[in-house]
Amino acid sequence: AQRVTQPEKLLSVFKGAPVELKCNYSYSGSPELFWYVQYSRQRLQLLLRHISRESIKGFTADLNKGETSFHLKKPFAQEEDSAMYYCALVAPGQAGTALIFGKGTTLSVSS
Amino acid sequence: DAGVIQSPRHEVTEMGQEVTLRCKPISGHNSLFWYRQTMMRGLELLIYFNNNVPIDDSGMPEDRFSAKMPNASFSTLKIQPSEPRDSAVYFCASSFEGLTSTLHFGNGTRLTVT
Repeated sequence: AQRVTQPEKLLSVFKGAPVELKCNYSYSGSPELFWYVQYSRQRLQLLLRHISRESIKGFTADLNKGETSFHLKKPFAQEEDSAMYYCALVAPGQAGTALIFGKGTTLSVSS
Repeated sequence: DAGVIQSPRHEVTEMGQEVTLRCKPISGHNSLFWYRQTMMRGLELLIYFNNNVPIDDSGMPEDRFSAKMPNASFSTLKIQPSEPRDSAVYFCASSFEGLTSTLHFGNGTRLTVT
């Protein structure tokens, strides 16, 4: 079965410190992976997707198939990065599937 | 575009009452998803529709939950009878071509069942 695990419920860092939000997945094939973010009083929205190999707001995430991980990283955290982050997976090309989310990690960046 | 519109934003009801949550997807999107968010379980997929047809409802917790999509611009999620453990934030999301497209979420409905 497909599963997404985010082991940390809360991650607290100081401004300027590096950030790594962990995400591990369980899927036998080649999934598509995403990070979604929910800022305070805003809608849940897409942050980045692994197939785009992009950097958004300084965040990057690399798919590691050997470790079945898709950790989200940023070298220098900013206070405005404080939000709830969800890792999500979808099995591409399969009918009857939808995005499966992890339980989420709350990132708190303080000065 | 106003994005995905959900109503009501907040709902407080007593146990045993019927609750109906509403969603208007983005025009042109042909996939619609209902998720439930709780502290304990995070975001859980309840059901999703493609071209108004339910594709996967395996996440619907019990027969008390039902969802409909009578047309491309409207969906409802009904809980009857409601129970305190149904208290959560319910999100609706839509996308174009479903599976790997970006999901666009509504603001959610915060349901409290007392």
